[in-house]
Amino acid sequence: EAGVTQFPSHSVIEKGQTVTLRCDPISGHDNLYWYRRVMGKEIKFLLHFVKESKQDESGMPNNRFLAERTGGTYSTLKVQPAELEDSGVYFCASSLRTGGSTDTQYFGPGTRLTVL
Amino acid sequence: DAKTTQPPSMDCAEGRAANLPCNHSTISGNEYVYWYRQIHSQGPQYIIHGLKNNETNEMASLIITEDRKSSTLILPHATLRDTAVYYCIVRFSGGGADGLTFGKGTHLIIQP
Repeated sequence: EAGVTQFPSHSVIEKGQTVTLRCDPISGHDNLYWYRRVMGKEIKFLLHFVKESKQDESGMPNNRFLAERTGGTYSTLKVQPAELEDSGVYFCASSLRTGGSTDTQYFGPGTRLTVL
Repeated sequence: DAKTTQPPSMDCAEGRAANLPCNHSTISGNEYVYWYRQIHSQGPQYIIHGLKNNETNEMASLIITEDRKSSTLILPHATLRDTAVYYCIVRFSGGGADGLTFGKGTHLIIQP
């Protein structure tokens, strides 16, 4: 069974440009999460989808970040326009259901974003 | 979710058991204890989780004290590839639960 995949693995852009990150969850997983780790800081939760609906987006830093999950399968996270402080590693995770053991989150390898 | 406390770093000799402690004194009855690790800059890897009883899988064992205020992750025969940052996370799993709260974790270094 394929795990969580993320694309691209690395992205280098200039300040003011737009970048779109993609996450493909484990097949059949209803829940999809985005996290990020900026340099020297802890991994922070950004938002949570249940199928195509945003369950919680309390961790999104500002309105330059837009996450979508059309059709309830893969998700995209767009940063527009990118700023220097957006540099970091963006992780995606998925879980089968919420509640109990089916809530275990499995992470992808991450996308390293560098904004110059 | 309850807060956890872990030592910032630990060393362990290769081939020995690595015992990583975690304190979660404010844990409530419907909160699970999860362990993840991050090797270099890879994505966090799920290791094990438990509610009340001790758990074991192919990677590790999880020992939870009777009062549930602390737990220990045991890697029975540590190898160099087990060098990583280990995160103990307490999380409500009653449905509608959202993101995991990662702290600073324990940097485990396996010595040859």
